[in-house]
Amino acid sequence: GIQVEQSPPDLILQEGANSTLRCNFSDSVNNLQWFHQNPWGQLINLFYIPSGTKQNGRLSATTVATERYSLLYISSSQTTDSGVYFCAVARGFSNTGKLIFGQGTTLQVKP
Amino acid sequence: EPEVTQTPSHQVTQMGQEVILRCVPISNHLYFYWYRQILGQKVEFLVSFYNNEISEKSEIFDDQFSVERPDGSNFTLKIRSTKLEDSAMYFCASSGRAATEAFFGQGTRLTVV
Repeated sequence: GIQVEQSPPDLILQEGANSTLRCNFSDSVNNLQWFHQNPWGQLINLFYIPSGTKQNGRLSATTVATERYSLLYISSSQTTDSGVYFCAVARGFSNTGKLIFGQGTTLQVKP
Repeated sequence: EPEVTQTPSHQVTQMGQEVILRCVPISNHLYFYWYRQILGQKVEFLVSFYNNEISEKSEIFDDQFSVERPDGSNFTLKIRSTKLEDSAMYFCASSGRAATEAFFGQGTRLTVV
């Protein structure tokens, strides 16, 4: 099956710093989503981005489908950005929408 | 804003008991899913459901598990004869079409004792 690898596994930042999280996947995809899992365990949708670039406030994401990777940028990080960031993909030609998750990047933003 | 809602938020059950986890997907969505996340691990796919039948299931989704859409709004996951290793966060999700954005509920934390 499709493999999803996220890097780095852990990241510690000072408040105000910028960061880039990476998601590599091993096959063509027809869906790619970024999620933030908050301390209460909720999965918050950040981006639906099977290709291209999107921005939402301090966050932006880029997916280069032909090269099988996606990047999530966090600028001017805040302590509330702490948590686990997951990338999830659905394999190209999937007609069920099944998402395969990466292992996540655990981000800690220190005040 | 439409959202997926799950009940209960927490459930503690004795090993061997049956549990039913409930979900109300977004109303105009057609695809429904269950995922689980064992503490500290990644989120794993369990099952997808479309047009009143299972469209795909994982190896985890064995005969112990079943899903049902008993009416036009609810989607349930039943776990028969729970085991200690079933302790996890269970997420329900829905999407309008198979390859479109999936939205997740807040999760049900199941603890089997």
